Amino acid sequence: TQLLEQSPQFLSIQEGENLTVYCNSSSVFSSLQWYRQEPGEGPVLLVTVVTGGEVKKLKRLTFQFGDARKDSSLHITAAQPGDTGLYLCAGEGNFNKFYFGSGTKLNVKP
Amino acid sequence: AAGVIQSPRHLIKEKRETATLKCYPIPRHDTVYWYQQGPGQDPQFLISFYEKMQSDKGSIPDRFSAQQFSDYHSELNMSSLELGDSALYFCASSLYRSGELFFGEGSRLTVL
Repeated sequence: TQLLEQSPQFLSIQEGENLTVYCNSSSVFSSLQWYRQEPGEGPVLLVTVVTGGEVKKLKRLTFQFGDARKDSSLHITAAQPGDTGLYLCAGEGNFNKFYFGSGTKLNVKP
Repeated sequence: AAGVIQSPRHLIKEKRETATLKCYPIPRHDTVYWYQQGPGQDPQFLISFYEKMQSDKGSIPDRFSAQQFSDYHSELNMSSLELGDSALYFCASSLYRSGELFFGEGSRLTVL
């Protein structure tokens, strides 16, 4: 069983559309990270959220940490083909242990 | 800025052979993690080290072992390789309690 569930698993949209990816758990995390991974490469850290209710923006990407620190969302505005990739959330548990979500594969068509 | 360095990037082995993967963490990072990622899957945690001591163990097979050396680099040793071991192996480093993992480019192991 996956500690962190991501939805949707797959998303194929047109350039310019908006989208939201969700990362949910029944567990509380001290922090949560979002990564983007391209085929054959390592995941690249996008953002870390620490405080419940925290919102962080990175250009067209908006990240939110749930008030109870159990869930998070990633919203992309006006998606571009360069946003295509696998988006992974990861929660930090006790003793510096990280739990990864199952991933959301995003394809943005030109 | 220096990133996590992994070697080799690609490795082809026969069944029952052994393989060693190396990881050089970001300078001053004290924690190293090893992950295995199969096609279309999320990274599966294998093992981690903090200050050269094993800190946590995940789904690492008994055929695999790892260690972190005095210069903080880490090696993952895999023996009696099986076809199912074919995967991308990632090393990530972190500063303890920073809440951030930085991944290397990965080592692609193919077992024939």
